[in-house]
Amino acid sequence: AQRVTQPEKLLSVFKGAPVELKCNYSYSGSPELFWYVQYSRQRLQLLLRHISRESIKGFTADLNKGETSFHLKKPFAQEEDSAMYYCALRGGANNLFFGTGTRLTVIP
Amino acid sequence: GAVVSQHPSRVICKSGTSVKIECRSLDFQATTMFWYRQFPKQSLMLMATSNEGSKATYEQGVEKDKFLINHASLTLSTLTVTSAHPEDSSFYICSARRAFQRGGNNEQFFGPGTRLTVL
Repeated sequence: AQRVTQPEKLLSVFKGAPVELKCNYSYSGSPELFWYVQYSRQRLQLLLRHISRESIKGFTADLNKGETSFHLKKPFAQEEDSAMYYCALRGGANNLFFGTGTRLTVIP
Repeated sequence: GAVVSQHPSRVICKSGTSVKIECRSLDFQATTMFWYRQFPKQSLMLMATSNEGSKATYEQGVEKDKFLINHASLTLSTLTVTSAHPEDSSFYICSARRAFQRGGNNEQFFGPGTRLTVL
């Protein structure tokens, strides 16, 4: 069975400070990992995926298979980064399973 | 970009009635659509996966006779909550994806959600 764990429900950082949103997963096969973001009053949207190994809006995430983690990082947080962030895993059935989410608040 | 719409965005109904929620992919053909349910301050829980022209696959614990899913065309899926009760009140979100391609862009696009309140 697959499981996605986001240990922090709430995370507050000051503008300009580094931010790291933690995500750990459990899956017996080779998973695909994603980060989704939901800004206030907007729909859920894809932020980045581990396959692409890209930086989106300054965010990066590296898949660490040894630690079964896919933490989301940004060196300098901006106020517009305040949102709800969900880590998600896609397993063999091609379905997405979501973590419980972390609400990030960037303090001006 | 790919857009997914849901209708209605908000619905209030009496206990015992049935409610239909529509999910449409506006500018692409979605061979697969997903229905999620989200309780307040909780994560999205996958309810079922539907492929166009075939029966939906329900996740464990989801009553298929209560949550009827129809995916009759490549741009429309409907979720009908039958004989709704107050405990069915929730935020229902649909998602759509093009045909799965190994190594391809299999991104799921999400609708804005429908808030159901059963009195």
